[in-house]
Amino acid sequence: AQRVTQPEKLLSVFKGAPVELKCNYSYSGSPELFWYVQYSRQRLQLLLRHISRESIKGFTADLNKGETSFHLKKPFAQEEDSAMYYCALRVSSGSARQLTFGSGTQLTVLP
Amino acid sequence: NAGVTQTPKFQVLKTGQSMTLQCAQDMNHEYMSWYRQDPGMGLRLIHYSVGAGITDQGEVPNGYNVSRSTTEDFPLRLLSAAPSQTSVYFCASSYPRGGGAFFGQGTRLTVV
Repeated sequence: AQRVTQPEKLLSVFKGAPVELKCNYSYSGSPELFWYVQYSRQRLQLLLRHISRESIKGFTADLNKGETSFHLKKPFAQEEDSAMYYCALRVSSGSARQLTFGSGTQLTVLP
Repeated sequence: NAGVTQTPKFQVLKTGQSMTLQCAQDMNHEYMSWYRQDPGMGLRLIHYSVGAGITDQGEVPNGYNVSRSTTEDFPLRLLSAAPSQTSVYFCASSYPRGGGAFFGQGTRLTVV
């Protein structure tokens, strides 16, 4: 079965510093990878997906199939980036293409 | 554009009570899912549906029932609430061919 691991439960950085949120996955096929963000007491919102290869709010993420990783990066963190971040995987086979989430990383950007 | 709407936002139940969490989407998405969010455990899939009349179990289905009589609605029923079901519940919908999932605002449930 597929699995998503986010090794850091909590991550604190200072404003203007680079930030990297780690995500590793295990899946034998070709997955779709996503990053979701949840601001305080709000619903989850899609931040990035690997197939679009875009930058949203300054965040980027590259799928590394060799290392089975999909780390989220931003060169200069802002206080408004403070939130819970979830990495998620969706399998590509079968009729049930559901999301499997990691346990999440709470990012705090300090002033 | 409402997206995914969940009701209620908050609920307190006594052990043994039953209730239904409502979820509706207006995007004509075929896929709908229910997740529970617990500290340190991320979101875990409870039940999902790939279309009207079709449902299946996720990772943590025990104690919950679902039905999908229409494309728009996907209610989650707690049969006999237990303190272990205290959690935040999220409903999500998506297209079957890809793209991200859209989430409701969540229901914070406390079972005492």
